[in-house]
Amino acid sequence: GQNIDQPTEMTATEGAIVQINCTYQTSGFNGLFWYQQHAGEAPTFLSYNVLDGLEEKGRFSSFLSRSKGYSYLLLKELQMKDSASYLCAVRVPSGGYQKVTFGTGTKLQVIP
Amino acid sequence: GAGVSQTPSNKVTEKGKYVELRCDPISGHTALYWYRQSLGQGPEFLIYFQGTGAADDSGLPNDRFFAVRPEGSVSTLKIQRTERGDSAVYLCASSLTGLGGTSYNEQFFGPGTRLTVL
Repeated sequence: GQNIDQPTEMTATEGAIVQINCTYQTSGFNGLFWYQQHAGEAPTFLSYNVLDGLEEKGRFSSFLSRSKGYSYLLLKELQMKDSASYLCAVRVPSGGYQKVTFGTGTKLQVIP
Repeated sequence: GAGVSQTPSNKVTEKGKYVELRCDPISGHTALYWYRQSLGQGPEFLIYFQGTGAADDSGLPNDRFFAVRPEGSVSTLKIQRTERGDSAVYLCASSLTGLGGTSYNEQFFGPGTRLTVL
């Protein structure tokens, strides 16, 4: 089976830094995604990690440790518009292909 | 079109009725995915098409759910004898190619269809 764990909710202050953690136990692993989803909208892609280490993209960075089954998304210089749910998703083998399994998401509230 | 589109945006139906949800992927994208998302949850995988064929339908909850993609572009998710538990947002996503190999092939999501079964 697939198990992906994230905190349900987090609150952070505008201008600060926040780290959203994700741990996973899956049958196979072929990469980890982070998506952002604003309320009532579709998820949008943020990052993809397949090798250990840190991937930086502007204010957003994502880290992966495959041996620990652990990833985090780091958001710097928080803005009010960053209030959204952040979804951790793992790509796993499935029947000769691969599929993406999502966690339940972390709802981030940015306050002034 | 510029992105993935889904119709209708909202669908209200009565228990026991049949519904069809449509997805228009990004032009040229060969892979298409259906997900279901309940409030406060992440998207739940339903089915994945590579071209016209269903490569993985292991997420379909039961035989009331069926999806087609006859020409390898537009897809229709069909739900028979709807139940109140089917109420959710149904998301469609497409990617340039499938999920094979090492390329991550970012999935682009549509706005979803909110299905309410009364």
